[in-house]
Amino acid sequence: DIVMTQSPLSLPVTPGEPASISCRSSQSLLQSNGYNSLDWYLQKPGQSPQLLIYLGSHRASGVPDRFSGSGSGTDFTLLISRVEADDVGVYYCMQDLQTARTFGQGTKLEI
Amino acid sequence: QVQLQESGPGLVKPSQTLSLSCTVSGGSVQRIGSYWSWIRQYPGKGLEWLGHIYYSGTTYYNSSLRGRVTISVHTSTSQFSLRLSSVTAADTAVYYCASGIQAAGMSNWGQGTLVTVSS
Repeated sequence: DIVMTQSPLSLPVTPGEPASISCRSSQSLLQSNGYNSLDWYLQKPGQSPQLLIYLGSHRASGVPDRFSGSGSGTDFTLLISRVEADDVGVYYCMQDLQTARTFGQGTKLEI
Repeated sequence: QVQLQESGPGLVKPSQTLSLSCTVSGGSVQRIGSYWSWIRQYPGKGLEWLGHIYYSGTTYYNSSLRGRVTISVHTSTSQFSLRLSSVTAADTAVYYCASGIQAAGMSNWGQGTLVTVSS
């Protein structure tokens, strides 16, 4: 199975400042069509996870443009350009290159 | 907008079979390109993918579950289900159903249901 490694595991942030989360995969997630099979999810306290980014850089419907995904191959980044109080929670990356999906350990964003 | 709702027993005895259903509203389990997943989360921990079933009926499972898991679709009731056999206390977790279309991520999630394995 592909191993997903996130860093940092805990991220204290200040509202209005940017925040960046890294995700590395144990093998390349780049498909032959040029897309990366990497999603980002946010689990707010007491809620189910919600999709933020798919195919490495495509924002899901309704996701503010403060959120952006970048990277290719084995190294990916989720950037929040200006953190808001509502952004707190645990962020997970997940690969869907292989049918056996695997998640990163999660990064807890705290204000 | 697809909505998902898990249902099933909150308490299961060790060695028995855990059975959960996920009711789908606002969409069809037969929509071309769709897949229907089960994910679990141990208390205070991260997410573990259990498996999914495509609109075509093809299934994929987490190999770590060693053949204990079965996911099925029930088109007549617009539901899909999870069966996990021979459960132990290690299977105590919040179970989520989720769905997506092709490579666009899992855009729909249920609210999750806590299943405790205890005698």
